Amino acid sequence: DTGVSQDPRHKITKRGQNVTFRCDPISEHNRLYWYRQTLGQGPEFLTYFQNEAQLEKSRLLSDRFSAERPKGSFSTLEIQRTEQGDSAMYLCASSLTWDRAYEQYFGPGTRLTVT
Amino acid sequence: AQKITQTQPGMFVQEKEAVTLDCTYDTSDPSYGLFWYKQPSSGEMIFLIYQGSYDQQNATEGRYSLNFQKARKSANLVISASQLGDSAMYFCAMRGGSEKLVFGKGTKLTVNP
Repeated sequence: DTGVSQDPRHKITKRGQNVTFRCDPISEHNRLYWYRQTLGQGPEFLTYFQNEAQLEKSRLLSDRFSAERPKGSFSTLEIQRTEQGDSAMYLCASSLTWDRAYEQYFGPGTRLTVT
Repeated sequence: AQKITQTQPGMFVQEKEAVTLDCTYDTSDPSYGLFWYKQPSSGEMIFLIYQGSYDQQNATEGRYSLNFQKARKSANLVISASQLGDSAMYFCAMRGGSEKLVFGKGTKLTVNP
């Protein structure tokens, strides 16, 4: 059973450009989460999906951010008109079901640098 | 609102000794879960241990144990017999009525030989 994978692992972009990240959860995990982690901080929740439905979005997710999970499998996170403040590690996680005891399995993250 | 506080930015421990990493939390949810994750320099978050708010006994997973004191709202992680590979960032997190995990700022643990 492979773990959560994310692509790319690193992305350097110029301010104002659009970027898209991909997350492939553990197969059959119906919940998928996106977090953002800036230097020296813990991860902060951005959004999550149950199958293809986006059920919760943080206010951190401005209108420049959009996430999709079109077929309930992989997910994409797009940032439009990137700003230097978007530089961070973007983490994806998945879990099998909602059960308060069920841990979220994290991927290796995509590190975004906006120059 | 939920909040996790980790007051130790960094901790040092000698190899083979035990170490306690502190975590306090605040929530109004009657039912919640507490988690500890390890983040090595590679960046991936690794799940270590879970404690439910209604669990009667403290959770243990191998060398990891969680010292849960509900009245004090604390959920400290105890690592016994530290190994060099334990050097990493450690994050305490909680989940209440929402799906999301709320994380603390983390503690950097360094294990000295």
